Amino acid sequence: AQSVTQLGSHVSVSEGALVLLRCNYSSSVPPYLFWYVQYPNQGLQLLLKYTSAATLVKGINGFEAEFKKSETSFHLTKPSAHMSDAAEYFCAVSTNSGGYQKVTFGIGTKLQVIP
Amino acid sequence: EPEVTQTPSHQVTQMGQEVILHCVPISNHLYFYWYRQILGQKVEFLVSFYNNEISEKSEIFDDQFSVERPDGSNFTLKIRSTKLEDSAMYFCASSESNLPTETQYFGPGTRLLVL
Repeated sequence: AQSVTQLGSHVSVSEGALVLLRCNYSSSVPPYLFWYVQYPNQGLQLLLKYTSAATLVKGINGFEAEFKKSETSFHLTKPSAHMSDAAEYFCAVSTNSGGYQKVTFGIGTKLQVIP
Repeated sequence: EPEVTQTPSHQVTQMGQEVILHCVPISNHLYFYWYRQILGQKVEFLVSFYNNEISEKSEIFDDQFSVERPDGSNFTLKIRSTKLEDSAMYFCASSESNLPTETQYFGPGTRLLVL
């Protein structure tokens, strides 16, 4: 069984401030972790993913995330928020399930950037 | 850049009616998925499809749901007799492989409203 918990369904930050979106996972097998972003009226777009090559993963638009096995976390950060970062962010865990990829999403976090 | 497309973007239907949601996956992808997101809830896996067969389905994907790849490009989700609780955003996704590290590429979604 696998699951993802995203703490905070809504997060507000000021433009230029640090963005921190939290994600904790649960998995009985080695997990691979993803962050997707959804802009209004668009599909989910990959921001970054952890595939066990490196625990600190850099993605698009200045975002990064660190896989911490001891904390079962994969929090998403960006040093300085930009107005264009306003979107909904989804954390997901992916495992091999009977030979197929099984992806489980969190509930999503809506990021508001205040000018 | 290739992308997954979905039509229609919005669909309103009466309870008990059949609906078909359409998706065109990325052309060289072999694995196809449907997910749904009820308003305010998490993105949930419905079904995966490979080689003209369902490879995995969730408990949500009951007998009223079916999927089909009627030609080389389209991938459809049919809901035979819609219920009020089927109202949701439905996302199609596709990927090149079924590895747990693989990125799934998502379409913009179809918002289904059942009245």
